[in-house]
Amino acid sequence: EAQVTQNPRYLITVTGKKLTVTCSQNMNHEYMSWYRQDPGLGLRQIYYSMNVEVTDKGDVPEGYKVSRKEKRNFPLILESPSPNQTSLYFCASSPGTGVSYEQYFGPGTRLTVT
Amino acid sequence: AQSVTQLGSHVSVSEGALVLLRCNYSSSVPPYLFWYVQYPNQGLQLLLKYTSAATLVKGINGFEAEFKKSETSFHLTKPSAHMSDAAEYFCAVSEDNQGGKLIFGQGTELSVKP
Repeated sequence: EAQVTQNPRYLITVTGKKLTVTCSQNMNHEYMSWYRQDPGLGLRQIYYSMNVEVTDKGDVPEGYKVSRKEKRNFPLILESPSPNQTSLYFCASSPGTGVSYEQYFGPGTRLTVT
Repeated sequence: AQSVTQLGSHVSVSEGALVLLRCNYSSSVPPYLFWYVQYPNQGLQLLLKYTSAATLVKGINGFEAEFKKSETSFHLTKPSAHMSDAAEYFCAVSEDNQGGKLIFGQGTELSVKP
């Protein structure tokens, strides 16, 4: 089944404890993105990647890191999480190269930082 | 800069009534426009997309949207609401024809009353 998977789905952590949220897609998509969803703000892009080893900042990159060492994986790293990073996070992928324009979303990761 | 405005953070309709969710965008170039739906505790699912072909776009579950360049609008409609349509709906715009970056509106929560 074609899908985007994220792990974990739920995470509660404390301020300053490094964490990684994994994202994987099995559709051979070139583009991958991370978004955070907050009430009243919709989804805002954190980082995106157009291909392996190519990443770029989105609209709200502060406090986050990403890497794209393999085409299928795009982990989101919070080196020192803070309470204002409590949010619902979505990974998404897209075929790119004009084949199709929509993004396919994972199920989400709900993060709470205390 | 691109932006998306969804009028009304919450819309309530009766079962069988017309659904109208409003979306206005700003873009310096011909945009690609999307409507996504998010059911409780799930990721986002594409409802429909406009990619400069027909201005009236039909999507899944009986939804459709019309691109009106003169009004910079892309409103979502459904002739007859069903209880299962209760969800949050997001309008999004992209100037990137490769699906790399989406700008989302704030979201509209649709309630359907029996």
